[in-house]
Amino acid sequence: KQEVTQIPAALSVPEGENLVLNCSFTDSAIYNLQWFRQDPGKGLTSLLLIQSSQREQTSGRLNASLDKSSGRSTLYIAASQPGDSATYLCAVPYSSASKIIFGSGTRLSIRP
Amino acid sequence: ETGVTQTPRHLVMGMTNKKSLKCEQHLGHNAMYWYKQSAKKPLELMFVYNFKEQTENNSVPSRFSPECPNSSHLFLHLHTLQPEDSALYLCASSQGSDGGNQPQHFGDGTRLSIL
Repeated sequence: KQEVTQIPAALSVPEGENLVLNCSFTDSAIYNLQWFRQDPGKGLTSLLLIQSSQREQTSGRLNASLDKSSGRSTLYIAASQPGDSATYLCAVPYSSASKIIFGSGTRLSIRP
Repeated sequence: ETGVTQTPRHLVMGMTNKKSLKCEQHLGHNAMYWYKQSAKKPLELMFVYNFKEQTENNSVPSRFSPECPNSSHLFLHLHTLQPEDSALYLCASSQGSDGGNQPQHFGDGTRLSIL
């Protein structure tokens, strides 16, 4: 059974710092891994999708890496801004491409 | 604006009531999804529809009854719910039902409270 874990559950850093969010999964037989952002009271916004054959994806200040063999992914945020404050979730499709397992998320707070 | 609209945004109902949640997507997608997000639990997939056909039912209790009349609309009919069903219900859509390989676009959810 696939399990997705995100540590830490919450993180608070001052503005301008570079930071890393972690995601681990127990079964490496994944189609891909996705990172989402969720603002309070809102739905999820897709940030990055890494195919199982890829090692990383970049979008602006965000860089996501994938190491299938170790069951890990990281989301790197450069030069953090208060607007980056949100909950970040990682998710992997498992058993079928449409069945997605989510982690519990990391609640990120960027202090001005 | 994500292109996925959910109504109502908030709903309070008693355990004996019957209500429906509505989701509409304006993105031309073929697949639609219902998720449940409870406090302190990971987001859980409930149902998947592809071209109006249900392709996934993640062991959801029968008191939740989905309906997909066309590729743009998805409903979740609720009856005889329990207090533990209080949660944020999110709808999503994607271009194909291989939803893991196509980014999903989410609505803002319906916050459901069961009295």
